[in-house]
Amino acid sequence: AQSVAQPEDQVNVAEGNPLTVKCTYSVSGNPYPFWYVQYPNRGLQFLLKYITGDNLVKGSYGFEAEFNKSQTSFHLKKPSALVSDSALYFCAVRDRETGANNLFFGTGTRLTVIP
Amino acid sequence: KAGVTQTPRYLIKTRGQQVTLSCSPISGHRSVSWYQQTPGQGLQFLFEYFSETQRNKGNFPGRFSGRQFSNSRSEMNVSTLELGDSALYLCASSLVPGGTDTQYFGPGTRLTVL
Repeated sequence: AQSVAQPEDQVNVAEGNPLTVKCTYSVSGNPYPFWYVQYPNRGLQFLLKYITGDNLVKGSYGFEAEFNKSQTSFHLKKPSALVSDSALYFCAVRDRETGANNLFFGTGTRLTVIP
Repeated sequence: KAGVTQTPRYLIKTRGQQVTLSCSPISGHRSVSWYQQTPGQGLQFLFEYFSETQRNKGNFPGRFSGRQFSNSRSEMNVSTLELGDSALYLCASSLVPGGTDTQYFGPGTRLTVL
């Protein structure tokens, strides 16, 4: 079974500073990792995913994520945070081997960007 | 292209009642998955449908059921509602199930059970 850990419930960062939201996951078949963001009273919006190739993945809204296979981590990063980035961020993984479509989610990290 | 739509957006029911939620996937998407989001349990997978067949099911009681129609639209039903069923129910669609395909989520249906 997969498990996803987001060790920080809350991350605060000043506007313009770089941000990192951490994600690690248990290894069972080398799953595909994803990042989603949720704004208040909204569903989840897809940010990015790792498939293969370059370990630095670029996604929507200037976000990127660094895939580390040996550490089974997929940390979300952005060089310069915006106040509008304040939201709830979820890391998720999908099993690569079983063909199952469902995502296993972390508990979420609330990002607050301070003006 | 229109995104995933879910109806209704908000529902208030009382214990013991049943409820049906609807999801229309992105045009061309044939896989639909349902998730429950609560403050205590987070995001949990309910079930997944592809080509009108349930492919996978999460660890939920039989009161939770679903189906998919030939146009890929999906419904989920919860019978004999309990207070603990209060949650945001999210539907997600993808072109096909599994692999690297991205699931795109709808805005959710907020169910409150009184």
